[in-house]
Amino acid sequence: AQSVAQPEDQVNVAEGNPLTVKCTYSVSGNPYLFWYVQYPNRGLQFLLKYITGDNLVKGSYGFEAEFNKSQTSFHLKKPSALVSDSALYFCAPYSTLTFGKGTMLLVSP
Amino acid sequence: DSGVTQTPKHLITATGQRVTLRCSPRSGDLSVYWYQQSLDQGLQFLIHYYNGEERAKGNILERFSAQQFPDLHSELNLSSLELGDSALYFCASRGGGNTEAFFGQGTRLTVV
Repeated sequence: AQSVAQPEDQVNVAEGNPLTVKCTYSVSGNPYLFWYVQYPNRGLQFLLKYITGDNLVKGSYGFEAEFNKSQTSFHLKKPSALVSDSALYFCAPYSTLTFGKGTMLLVSP
Repeated sequence: DSGVTQTPKHLITATGQRVTLRCSPRSGDLSVYWYQQSLDQGLQFLIHYYNGEERAKGNILERFSAQQFPDLHSELNLSSLELGDSALYFCASRGGGNTEAFFGQGTRLTVV
């Protein structure tokens, strides 16, 4: 079985500061994982994925995620947040493509 | 543009009615997924079709059904609608291998 958890409903960060959106996983087999972003009144957009290889994955819009097997985590990060990054972020396992409530990221000016 | 087309964009209907939501996947994508998004429930997986066959079922009510046609487009049928069915309905399509899924813009269903 594969599942993910996003422990924070909301993350608040000031523009220019680094941001982290957390995701932990519980999978049997290969932990292939995705991050998606949803802007208001839009469908989900793919950000990045971990399949195999480097634990640090770079994606769209300056985002990156670090896969940590020992901590079973796949946290989304960005060195310097923008107000336009404010959106709903989802982590999901590749195999089932199931999502939860996501994490709302709010970046203040 | 994700390449996934959902129609209609908006739908307003009365309780007890039946509606059909349509999804055209990206060219060549064999998998179609349906989701329901509401404020309190988040993005809930409903059902997954692959090349015309049902592959997985999530929290889909018995009043709801779906199918995928030979041309790979998919329809989600919602019947005996209730106020609580008001939500955004998304479909996503995915090709083979370790590829990501692409989402449509959604259909906003309002049941009055």
